[in-house]
Amino acid sequence: NAGVTQTPKFQVLKTGQSMTLQCAQDMNHEYMSWYRQDPGMGLRLIHYSVGAGITDQGEVPNGYNVSRSTTEDFPLRLLSAAPSQTSVYFCASSYVGGRTYEQYFGPGTRLTVT
Amino acid sequence: GIQVEQSPPDLILQEGANSTLRCNFSDSVNNLQWFHQNPWGQLINLFYIPSGTKQNGRLSATTVATERYSLLYISSSQTTDSGVYFCAVAFSGGYNKLIFGAGTRLAVHP
Repeated sequence: NAGVTQTPKFQVLKTGQSMTLQCAQDMNHEYMSWYRQDPGMGLRLIHYSVGAGITDQGEVPNGYNVSRSTTEDFPLRLLSAAPSQTSVYFCASSYVGGRTYEQYFGPGTRLTVT
Repeated sequence: GIQVEQSPPDLILQEGANSTLRCNFSDSVNNLQWFHQNPWGQLINLFYIPSGTKQNGRLSATTVATERYSLLYISSSQTTDSGVYFCAVAFSGGYNKLIFGAGTRLAVHP
């Protein structure tokens, strides 16, 4: 049981480039989400999904796209990277409903945009 | 206004000391979690505690939902306890949408 996995661990982009951050979970969780963490701050929600085919915006969605075609995967796309998107990105997953809503986080992707 | 407020922002301890970290939140919650972010950046689940009291070894947590606060107790601190402790809540109607506090940065010295 690998839990929540993220790739890559590190990435450097030039301004204007695009890329996809990958996230996968093997716990059959319906809910998946992406957060970003800027230096000295807590995490902020970018996008989330409550199941395959269903996504919605969080607190800071601008500049990011998501889709959810399977229960296991929830990729985050940066369409045209900007220096303001330099951050650490975390993916998380949990059940929707049931006895617990406890969320589990992946190891993070450290992104630098120059 | 601030929805999740943690105190103190910084804490320095000698090994073996005890400490209490506080999390205040502005509305009813359906989910409250405590995390430890270690120096390598990993987020480690400590407690899922929307109400009540839990204990895990030297750590324990209490959430008083009616008074809108949660406490994390660390006893006999060790250098490996160093890092940032986050409280995160999901307000009523948003069971999974966690809102994080700014964290308490803990440094434990030998």
